[in-house]
Amino acid sequence: RKEVEQDPGPFNVPEGATVAFNCTYSNSASQSFFWYRQDCRKEPKLLMSVYSSGNEDGRFTAQLNRASQYISLLIRDSKLSDSATYLCVVNMRSGFTGGGNKLTFGTGTQLKVEL
Amino acid sequence: DTGVSQNPRHKITKRGQNVTFRCDPISEHNRLYWYRQTLGQGPEFLTYFQNEAQLEKSRLLSDRFSAERPKGSFSTLEIQRTEQGDSAMYLCASSERTGWNTEAFFGQGTRLTVV
Repeated sequence: RKEVEQDPGPFNVPEGATVAFNCTYSNSASQSFFWYRQDCRKEPKLLMSVYSSGNEDGRFTAQLNRASQYISLLIRDSKLSDSATYLCVVNMRSGFTGGGNKLTFGTGTQLKVEL
Repeated sequence: DTGVSQNPRHKITKRGQNVTFRCDPISEHNRLYWYRQTLGQGPEFLTYFQNEAQLEKSRLLSDRFSAERPKGSFSTLEIQRTEQGDSAMYLCASSERTGWNTEAFFGQGTRLTVV
């Protein structure tokens, strides 16, 4: 089983639609959670962190369910400019004694917003 | 320049040759990560430094791969005896050591093609 799993898509949606992405992670000791956005042939960039209480940033809402080890991202009123790959990222404590951590990425979910 | 810088941006090499990539992180960041990304996949963790200490190395990494961060600033990733399967985008990221919920900033990557 992969450490972080996402539906690869693509999700093709019309402009203005609401779309939801899901992600599951396997390590229950994971410490923090993020959604990154990656445009074609570009580097990943942080979209938002994900908190247990859920958090919202404009049209974007992220939620975390630690019991189910599940993370979601909701995009409302989607725009053409939202077309990108959305990467679910989990920060897991590394095996090194004394600390350290690593960011583990899912395969990404591709979103295409169409006119 | 306040971002993560990677050089070269592109590298084409013949199978069997050695290659070395360089990453200059954001100056006050003491965490540095190397990732590898192939088409349609999320970034795959390779290794992680905190200052000059290499705290974790992926089990997927063969002995042909080595990374250094000699003074806790820039880092190099060397691949010896390259194989066609090494063709990928190699991404470097850096972050501050301020806890778990810290953003990682990525460089634009080095695209390696092994022919």
